[in-house]
Amino acid sequence: GQNIDQPTEMTATEGAIVQINCTYQTSGFNGLFWYQQHAGEAPTFLSYNVLDGLEEKGRFSSFLSRSKGYSYLLLKELQMKDSASYLCAFMDSNYQLIWGAGTKLIIKP
Amino acid sequence: GAVVSQHPSWVICKSGTSVKIECRSLDFQATTMFWYRQFPKQSLMLMATSNEGSKATYEQGVEKDKFLINHASLTLSTLTVTSAHPEDSSFYICSARAGTGGWEEQFFGPGTRLTVL
Repeated sequence: GQNIDQPTEMTATEGAIVQINCTYQTSGFNGLFWYQQHAGEAPTFLSYNVLDGLEEKGRFSSFLSRSKGYSYLLLKELQMKDSASYLCAFMDSNYQLIWGAGTKLIIKP
Repeated sequence: GAVVSQHPSWVICKSGTSVKIECRSLDFQATTMFWYRQFPKQSLMLMATSNEGSKATYEQGVEKDKFLINHASLTLSTLTVTSAHPEDSSFYICSARAGTGGWEEQFFGPGTRLTVL
């Protein structure tokens, strides 16, 4: 079967670093996505990993380990505007996105 | 990135009426469009996948006669919620993809918030 799991909520301090983990199980895999979603808005694309390793993009980095079915999103130098839900999703063998429930990130001053 | 628009942004309707939501890809041709529903504090739930010129593929548990999807052109897909009821109140989001396979980024519309009284 297929499933994907991420923490429901995390809290971090402005200026700090936070890592949001995502684990998944699937027989067919075509990459893992991270999206950011502010309340009441549609998701916006952050990153895509299909090979193992770390992809860095400014303050955000995403890591993938296909053998472990594991990914994380690393956010550095946190800003108040980073308060949002972060959704991980993997693309299955049918190129369909399977979504996690999202991690609500709360940034405190 | 590519732009996807949705109209209306929000709609309030009476129970029993039908509501049509439009999803447009503004600067690219979308061979595939997806319709999602998101209830408060929950993740995106895929309702259906539509390819231009063919019938939509509905996810298990989604009534195709209630949620009518039309993807008549490469830039427009519509979702009609027929005989809407309060339990249909939700945030409906469409996304569009240019390619037919492989990794193609999905571009999301801004969403439509439907409230059924």
